Amino acid sequence: AQSVTQLDSHVSVSEGTPVLLRCNYSSSYSPSLFWYVQHPNKGLQLLLKYTSAATLVKGINGFEAEFKKSETSFHLTKPSAHMSDAAEYFCVVSSAGGYQKVTFGIGTKLQVIP
Amino acid sequence: GAVVSQHPSWVICKSGTSVKIECRSLDFQATTMFWYRQFPKQSLMLMATSNEGSKATYEQGVEKDKFLINHASLTLSTLTVTSAHPEDSSFYICSATGGRETQYFGPGTRLLVL
Repeated sequence: AQSVTQLDSHVSVSEGTPVLLRCNYSSSYSPSLFWYVQHPNKGLQLLLKYTSAATLVKGINGFEAEFKKSETSFHLTKPSAHMSDAAEYFCVVSSAGGYQKVTFGIGTKLQVIP
Repeated sequence: GAVVSQHPSWVICKSGTSVKIECRSLDFQATTMFWYRQFPKQSLMLMATSNEGSKATYEQGVEKDKFLINHASLTLSTLTVTSAHPEDSSFYICSATGGRETQYFGPGTRLLVL
């Protein structure tokens, strides 16, 4: 069994300040973890993924996430928010074991204030 | 990177008609494709998983006779919503994987049933 908990449904930051979107997971197997971004009325875009290599993962648009097994967390961060970062962000877990069934978090809506 | 397309991006239909949505992997062979449904302000819910040449596996609560899935080739899967009703109005998103954990998502199809 696997699950994902996104701790904040809504995060609001000022432009130029750091972004932190929190994600905790549970998995019976060694998980793969992903962050996807969805802009309004658009599909999902892969930001970054962790697949048992380096625990600090760098993604597109300046985002990065750190896999912490002891805390079962995979928080998404960015040093400085841009207006274009305003979107919905989904944390996703996929358990290794040959079947690529994924579980989505409920999503965190990021608002960037000018 | 891997690209997945969906067609159409928007469809409006009358109640009782059937609607077909196509999902194509443009630059890779998709051994497995997934169909999701997203209600407003909610996360994605997996509807079914399809492997090329096999019958789709539906999630609990998803009517397989209403949501027909055909994965006829390694680059094409179709979802047909049969006898659509207003409650079927939603955002339908497909994803594809070439055998690894990462799923690549299409841009989505917005269905409105009048």
